[in-house]
Formats: sequence, structure tokens, C-alpha cells
Amino acid sequence: AQKVTQAQTEISVVEKEDVTLDCVYETRDTTYYLFWYKQPPSGELVFLIRRNSFDEQNEISGRYSWNFQKSTSSFNFTITASQVVDSAVYFCALLNRDDKIIFGKGTRLHILP
Amino acid sequence: GAVVSQHPSWVICKSGTSVKIECRSLDFQATTMFWYRQFPKQSLMLMATSNEGSKATYEQGVEKDKFLINHASLTLSTLTVTSAHPEDSSFYICSARGVAGPAYEQYFGPGTRLTVT
Repeated sequence: AQKVTQAQTEISVVEKEDVTLDCVYETRDTTYYLFWYKQPPSGELVFLIRRNSFDEQNEISGRYSWNFQKSTSSFNFTITASQVVDSAVYFCALLNRDDKIIFGKGTRLHILP
Repeated sequence: GAVVSQHPSWVICKSGTSVKIECRSLDFQATTMFWYRQFPKQSLMLMATSNEGSKATYEQGVEKDKFLINHASLTLSTLTVTSAHPEDSSFYICSARGVAGPAYEQYFGPGTRLTVT
């Protein structure tokens, strides 16, 4: 089965706190791609990162970082020193060999001032 | 580069009427376009995949006679919701993949919010 699970439906943190969004995936494929997207209230999907299955290096981009661990089939996303502008719904997604993107159910993140 | 537009950005129509949504790749040619539907506070669900010049492939449970997809050129795909009903109210998002691009490079449009009254 091809599946993406984001167990955290909603998270609220106070501004400047760090927050980690969890993502666990299932796939039969050995070659696949994982993504994170941000969806602000406007609705437009904002691409954050793509990882292929052969690249387990963690990535850091400013306040954002990603931890990809094939051993646990996880691709977690951490925001450091969160800001109110980070409030959005975040989707983890998997591209399978059928070229279809499978989205998780999303985590709604509230950053409180 | 790699911009995808959708038109209209929002539309309100009466029950029983049809509405057409356009998805355009502005600065690249897209052999494949995807249509997603997102109900409030839910995830994106793939409705169909369309390849230029051929019939769309619909996901299980999506009525092909209700959601007509046309991908007549390398820069335009349209989704027509026929005989719309209030339960079709949703956020419709398209994505496009370039002619020479790898499978993982899909670019998303800004979405179209449809309200059926």
C-alpha cells in the first residue's frame, strides 16, 4: 500500500518555539520521492522540499529542517524559532512509480503571538 | 519559471449548471496535467490525470461524465463540472508536469474555489 500518515491533525505553539511535524510513509517502491508543501489560508500550495529515496541527508533551509530516515519510513519537518507567518496547513506527500502524488491529511499549525 | 495559472480563482454557480475551470502552464509545455479536489479541512485527492491529446484517466470513484477533462494543447487543460450540485462545492487544484521534466517536477496552480448554491 502507498500511504502517507500525518498523525498530528492540529498543533499550536507559541511564537519562537520550535515545532516538529511528523510524517510516516508506506511504499513498496525502492525509488520514490517525498515532499513537504505549505498551504496558507489563501489555498495555494507552496513547495518546500523534495527528497528522493536514495538521499537520506538531512536538509536545512533557514529556520526549516528535514529529517529523512528510511529505517523508520519517516520524513519529519522542524521549524525553528517559529513565527506567526508559519501558521498554515502543512502536507507531507509521496510520489510513487505511477507518477501520482499521494498527500497526507495535513497538519494545521497555529503559531500564537 | 514553471508557473501554472488557474481561471477563475473562484466561482459561484447555481445548482444544475455547468462550470469550466482552466489550468494553464504559462512558461513551459505540459504533457501531463493532474486535477485534485480538496474539501474544507481535508487533504488533496487526485481526481484524474490527463495527457495532451488523449483521454483522461480518472481515479476510482470519480465520475468521468460529471467531471469532463480536456487537454487539447500542451499548455491548457480544462475541467468542466457538469450539472453541478452543492456537494461539488470544493477547492479544485491542478498541477502540470513538463514535456522533458522528470516525474517528480509537478507544478501546482493556485486553485479554484467552487461554490454551488
